[in-house]
Amino acid sequence: GAGVSQSPSNKVTEKGKDVELRCDPISGHTALYWYRQSLGQGLEFLIYFQGNSAPDKSGLPSDRFSAERTGGSVSTLTIQRTQQEDSAVYLCASSHRTGVTGNTEAFFGQGTRLTVV
Amino acid sequence: RKEVEQDPGPFNVPEGATVAFNCTYSNSASQSFFWYRQDCRKEPKLLMSVYSSGNEDGRFTAQLNRASQYISLLIRDSKLSDSATYLCVVLRMDSSYKLIFGSGTRLLVRP
Repeated sequence: GAGVSQSPSNKVTEKGKDVELRCDPISGHTALYWYRQSLGQGLEFLIYFQGNSAPDKSGLPSDRFSAERTGGSVSTLTIQRTQQEDSAVYLCASSHRTGVTGNTEAFFGQGTRLTVV
Repeated sequence: RKEVEQDPGPFNVPEGATVAFNCTYSNSASQSFFWYRQDCRKEPKLLMSVYSSGNEDGRFTAQLNRASQYISLLIRDSKLSDSATYLCVVLRMDSSYKLIFGSGTRLLVRP
């Protein structure tokens, strides 16, 4: 597709269950970001991928959170043993390779709204 | 102190008003700068990049002052449809390439 695609758009899960969130970036974009946004709050950085590697995963809140990216394209964010405080909108963004002047704008998917009950 | 600081607002202005948003950043490794717009319960969308010489897109003008580490966005002739949260964003390129978002400034344009 033409834009960043995220799935599912909504996910309700029981506390303690694992969830997987998927992001399909814009074709050709090598940089991929995951952010989290709680209701009424700003964007919280989680992790950044350049290609398949994650040079910066400093924002992952705990070891329950992990992410991977394969083939330089699709990324999956996994949350194990979900807690109620994990409830938020999880946003994915992609851009051309950072460091290339004029091509660093990031474009967001519509997000996955996660509710842990 | 946050790496990117914005006045949270809200800015409540009448239609037709001119409104200015300011943003400061603390990391000198910041290399690229953007303004994004976020509507309620929607994803952020790129409004405009900010260039060193300043740039304009219709009613929107962005300025960058690297010496002061300061970015601004000016909206002229405000429309009701401009009501949204405006996010200042910097791309830090040192040992880590990371887009850093400000918390946003909320704008309400009233009839």
